[in-house]
Amino acid sequence: GAVVSQHPSRVICKSGTSVKIECRSLDFQATTMFWYRQFPKKSLMLMATSNEGSKATYEQGVEKDKFLINHASLTLSTLTVTSAHPEDSSFYICSAQNRQGYGYTFGSGTRLTVV
Amino acid sequence: GEDVEQSLFLSVREGDSSVINCTYTDSSSTYLYWYKQEPGAGLQLLTYIFSNMDMKQDQRLTVLLNKKDKHLSLRIADTQTGDSAIYFCAESIKGTYKYIFGTGTRLKVLA
Repeated sequence: GAVVSQHPSRVICKSGTSVKIECRSLDFQATTMFWYRQFPKKSLMLMATSNEGSKATYEQGVEKDKFLINHASLTLSTLTVTSAHPEDSSFYICSAQNRQGYGYTFGSGTRLTVV
Repeated sequence: GEDVEQSLFLSVREGDSSVINCTYTDSSSTYLYWYKQEPGAGLQLLTYIFSNMDMKQDQRLTVLLNKKDKHLSLRIADTQTGDSAIYFCAESIKGTYKYIFGTGTRLKVLA
């Protein structure tokens, strides 16, 4: 149980286009999901907390107009990277709190490459 | 502010024990976690320890917590090549959903 599916696993897009990444909790409801960004050989940096039915909470330094988050249902949160630039290339990972209430289940991540 | 630090690399021979260390700064952490990340994949929760515990053992994994020194370690007994990955420690921030992750330790197991 407590499976989080993230899609796509890899995406290559052109500069200036937008890319949507989906994060789904498959067998549980997640009122809160989290989006992380991982730079090469670096730790995960929390970008934002996605709350079902309300606005996301962004961490300091994260542009909310650039990284649009929508959490329209209890099982789906989406991250849209708008007007992507090469510096947005990164590994993006979502997570959701699991049933047991401790620890988080992570998606398998999305490798975004902007060319 | 909150900060979690780990050494970047560890190399061990197959069959030996591995010890991955982590130091953290937030003394109010309620849980501390160890995650494993294989290449190109997401994070897999390996184990966790509640802040009022000193030790937790789970099969080949032993977690030691020294709350006074804010030091957490993960010992992997009989390390196998399949254990090669990046290991992240993380602390949960009391009263929030936030995690602070360490920089990750890349474990390489030599056959």
